[in-house]
Amino acid sequence: QVQLVESGGGLVKSGGSLRLSCAASGFTFSDYYMSWIRQAPGKGLEWVSYISTGGSTIYYADSVKGRFTISRDNAKNSLYLQMNSLRAEDTAIYYCARGVVDYWGQGTLVTVSS
Amino acid sequence: QSALTQPASVSGSPGQSITISCTGTSSDVGGYNYVSWYQQHPGQAPKLLIYEVSNRPSGVSNRFSGSKSGNTASLTISGLQAEDEADYYCSSYTTSSVIFGGGTKLTVL
Repeated sequence: QVQLVESGGGLVKSGGSLRLSCAASGFTFSDYYMSWIRQAPGKGLEWVSYISTGGSTIYYADSVKGRFTISRDNAKNSLYLQMNSLRAEDTAIYYCARGVVDYWGQGTLVTVSS
Repeated sequence: QSALTQPASVSGSPGQSITISCTGTSSDVGGYNYVSWYQQHPGQAPKLLIYEVSNRPSGVSNRFSGSKSGNTASLTISGLQAEDEADYYCSSYTTSSVIFGGGTKLTVL
């Protein structure tokens, strides 16, 4: 069955960086676009970014453009999100998701302290 | 990239039907047949209920159905059950983004 397992979340100071990872299994990873979506505490869902199968097409939400970088390694069945210049408003659970979007991981919590 | 508009809350009694609307623009909901609906219970990840406006993934109850008219998509839940109490989100895929609705809290009375 499809499994998506995020890691790399934690507590970081404002202006700092984190790199999230997502390990995928149960499907042919290289056949699917992949996405990152976040959810601030008590708030709704916010799309962050998606990447095409080969990585040539990438889009970001305006709120993270220029600060976050999505990437993937199809040989390792893994998706990544490099987050730089973090702000308090980036505090959220970050979900890795297949395609745009069907299956979701359980999420990893990122907390940015000011 | 403005959020799609959903009612903040809806409620219904067991056995009844409810409908949640999701309003966008001709650049998102109205322009593509890529509207999805998700259910999220507290403390859990969202779960896909409907994709491409009206299609149900395998394993999703046929009590859940989706439709679209113009710039507004709708999710209908028939035969409400206690376990349907959750947050519901719509989304629309465009060529350069995915836009979510603000979410609707369903209360089963």
